[in-house]
Amino acid sequence: ELKVEQNPLFLSMQEGKNYTIYCNYSTTSDRLYWYRQDPGKSLESLFVLLSNGAVKQEGRLMASLDTKARLSTLHITAAVHDLSATYFCAVEWSGINDMRFGAGTRLTVKP
Amino acid sequence: EADIYQTPRYLVIGTGKKITLECSQTMGHDKMYWYQQDPGMELHLIHYSYGVNSTEKGDLSSESTVSRIRTEHFPLTLESARPSHTSQYLCASSYPSGGGETQYFGPGTRLLVL
Repeated sequence: ELKVEQNPLFLSMQEGKNYTIYCNYSTTSDRLYWYRQDPGKSLESLFVLLSNGAVKQEGRLMASLDTKARLSTLHITAAVHDLSATYFCAVEWSGINDMRFGAGTRLTVKP
Repeated sequence: EADIYQTPRYLVIGTGKKITLECSQTMGHDKMYWYQQDPGMELHLIHYSYGVNSTEKGDLSSESTVSRIRTEHFPLTLESARPSHTSQYLCASSYPSGGGETQYFGPGTRLLVL
């Protein structure tokens, strides 16, 4: 069964702190995506990770992919309020042309 | 910025009505998708299309249908709306690029069925 699990589902953190969001998936894949959704808005693409060991960074966010562990992480460095949003990972299984989204991590960054 | 549009943005309708949610993209993308998302919850794929005259059902059972007569247009129709259809519907399109297939999402349609 194709499953994508994110944790934590809710994350409240102080500005300036670091934290990591985890995305586990059930079956081997080498295509993983991270998206951001602001309240009441649609999803925006953050990162595309296409191979084992891939690492992408944009500002205070860094995403990595370990295909052997079937795990991706989204690391937040020195969080700021503007990062408050819901973050989704999505895994694509190209062999069956299917993509599944995780449940999302709702991040709140407090002053 | 991605050019993908959805109308209406908000819709309140009575049970039993037939409704069509519109989705258009001007990027020439072959693949298009419809997702259902309850507030604060994960996305569920309900339909997708690989191109003109191609449509497939997703993993969420839904009493809806789609059509893809033109590349840019991917409407979703509910023949008989029910309160259980109350949700947000997101349309997306994608294009293969650099080995991956990032999806570009529309603004969504929030549907309330009374």
